[in-house]
Amino acid sequence: AQRVTQPEKLLSVFKGAPVELKCNYSYSGSPELFWYVQYSRQRLQLLLRHISRESIKGFTADLNKGETSFHLKKPFAQEEDSAMYYCALRGSSNTGKLIFGQGTTLQVKP
Amino acid sequence: NAGVTQTPKFQVLKTGQSMTLQCAQDMNHEYMSWYRQDPGMGLRLIHYSVGAGITDQGEVPNGYNVSRSTTEDFPLRLLSAAPSQTSVYFCASSQGAGGYTFGSGTRLTVV
Repeated sequence: AQRVTQPEKLLSVFKGAPVELKCNYSYSGSPELFWYVQYSRQRLQLLLRHISRESIKGFTADLNKGETSFHLKKPFAQEEDSAMYYCALRGSSNTGKLIFGQGTTLQVKP
Repeated sequence: NAGVTQTPKFQVLKTGQSMTLQCAQDMNHEYMSWYRQDPGMGLRLIHYSVGAGITDQGEVPNGYNVSRSTTEDFPLRLLSAAPSQTSVYFCASSQGAGGYTFGSGTRLTVV
């Protein structure tokens, strides 16, 4: 079964501080991992995919298969990063079925 | 290019009423899904489809029906609305290994 866990409901940091949003997953095959962001009352937007190994808005995420984790990191948080962040997993069978974690609200204080 | 369009944006229903949430995409995407978003629960998959004529249940399918007669449309039907179905509903679509594109959501209140 696919399962995504985001252990923190709320992460509050000061502007300029480093940020790490945790994501752990459970899946027996080779998963595809994503991070989505939702700004206040807006639609979800794709932030990162692990297969792209890219950096978007200063955020990076590395898939650690040994620890079954896909943590989202940014070295210096900005106030505009305040949003809800969701980690999501799609199984290797490529059914299109995308399962989300519970989400973490990131609050960046001035 | 409209992407994923959901209608209506807001809806209030009385318990027991039925309604259909509409979702349409113009990107010729194979995969489409419906999610509900509730505080503290994240997004939970209701139903999904891997192509026209093919649908399957997600994590929380009870009380909802779907059909996929065309590639573009994936309506979600509430058969007999209950207060527990008060939520924000998101439709999403994707093609192949790409990430999902989401609609702007429908905020549903059942009284």
